[in-house]
Amino acid sequence: DQQVKQNSPSLSVQEGRISILNCDYTNSMFDYFLWYKKYPAEGPTFLISISSIKDKNEDGRFTVFLNKSAKHLSLHIVPSQPGDSAVYFCAAGNQFYFGTGTSLTVIP
Amino acid sequence: NAGVTQTPKFRILKIGQSMTLQCTQDMNHNYMYWYRQDPGMGLKLIYYSVGAGITDKGEVPNGYNVSRSTTEDFPLRLELAAPSQTSVYFCASSPLRDRVNEKLFFGSGTQLSVL
Repeated sequence: DQQVKQNSPSLSVQEGRISILNCDYTNSMFDYFLWYKKYPAEGPTFLISISSIKDKNEDGRFTVFLNKSAKHLSLHIVPSQPGDSAVYFCAAGNQFYFGTGTSLTVIP
Repeated sequence: NAGVTQTPKFRILKIGQSMTLQCTQDMNHNYMYWYRQDPGMGLKLIYYSVGAGITDKGEVPNGYNVSRSTTEDFPLRLELAAPSQTSVYFCASSPLRDRVNEKLFFGSGTQLSVL
């Protein structure tokens, strides 16, 4: 059973617009969430995280929102840039569980 | 700064062969992990280690073995390779603090095909 889900396999966005990537989880005990970014032929790299005691965390162009009641988090990228084109994974449960990833394409 | 180094980058195995995927890190991290990523899927945790001499199973440990004799090295062993083990394997490490809060540092991966 998939404990962390990313239901959108892909997303295309125009450069300069907002990208919104979504992630859902099933276990209410999860209390820390992370987003990783992955380019082809490379390992994932850490992007941003959020603790369950917060509902928002911001780092430059990247903001993560957490809705505990809905067991949902989202990653906002504003403004989107072509270099943001990558696969984005959310992770939870002491990083035992990763989502299936969303492939973001930012169109120049 | 090398970080997490995995070797080999690519390997083709025949069914029933064995091999060891090597992983070493130079950041003195206590926690190390092995994940696999199948096409179109997320990362699945195979095994992890919280320090030298201590290992534990993740979500998909069957068909694999690990050892952790030093802080730096965490090799993954496939004893009898099967086509279902065709995947990209990632090794990762994280420092010893509150593990819940620590980000992972990943290697660049090993692409393994079992034919």
